[in-house]
Amino acid sequence: GAVVSQHPSRVICKSGTSVKIECRSLDFQATTMFWYRQFPKQSLMLMATSNEGSKATYEQGVEKDKFLINHASLTLSTLTVTSAHPEDSSFYICSARDRERHAVEAFFGQGTRLTVV
Amino acid sequence: KQEVTQIPAALSVPEGENLVLNCSFTDSAIYNLQWFRQDPGKGLTSLLLIQSSQREQTSGRLNASLDKSSGRSTLYIAASQPGDSATYLCAVEMDSSYKLIFGSGTRLLVRP
Repeated sequence: GAVVSQHPSRVICKSGTSVKIECRSLDFQATTMFWYRQFPKQSLMLMATSNEGSKATYEQGVEKDKFLINHASLTLSTLTVTSAHPEDSSFYICSARDRERHAVEAFFGQGTRLTVV
Repeated sequence: KQEVTQIPAALSVPEGENLVLNCSFTDSAIYNLQWFRQDPGKGLTSLLLIQSSQREQTSGRLNASLDKSSGRSTLYIAASQPGDSATYLCAVEMDSSYKLIFGSGTRLLVRP
């Protein structure tokens, strides 16, 4: 199956700093990638849809200035958590779809555990 | 607004049992439904995808069914094994936008 690589898997940062998370589709081109966050023992909540070459579309309640998304190529999307605070500590997961295979399932990265201290 | 619910929230069974996980959704106009597995601290692994026109899909010991009209899907796991222990998530896609709406998951523990 298709592979989505997410990096880093874990990161600890100080409050007020910024953290960048990368999501790469390794063996296919992804016109669209998605960013989710997951709190402990809860389900995934969609944060934003990342479209290659255009601005991301954010879900209601997600601050676009805090969670910066860049999708500069068909294989890479980045999520930057700016001025991170302890309440931003969460599990962030990206997802990508193969643009050539519209009916196939979504593929997910391994997730990034962000801890803000 | 689509809401996805999974019952039970947690399930513990002895090894070898057959089991059923349930997923329900409030808006039956879905594009497809997908079942995922998530191990602790890990990402999601796709198990089965059922298109809106399909009734079921099978992969090995897993069988997923879909009843759109009643807003239900079930994931059947045959002859459960300790390695099946994980959280199982269902998600629906409402249109071709690829956006998924997830249920809260069922945490499964298969005891040796």
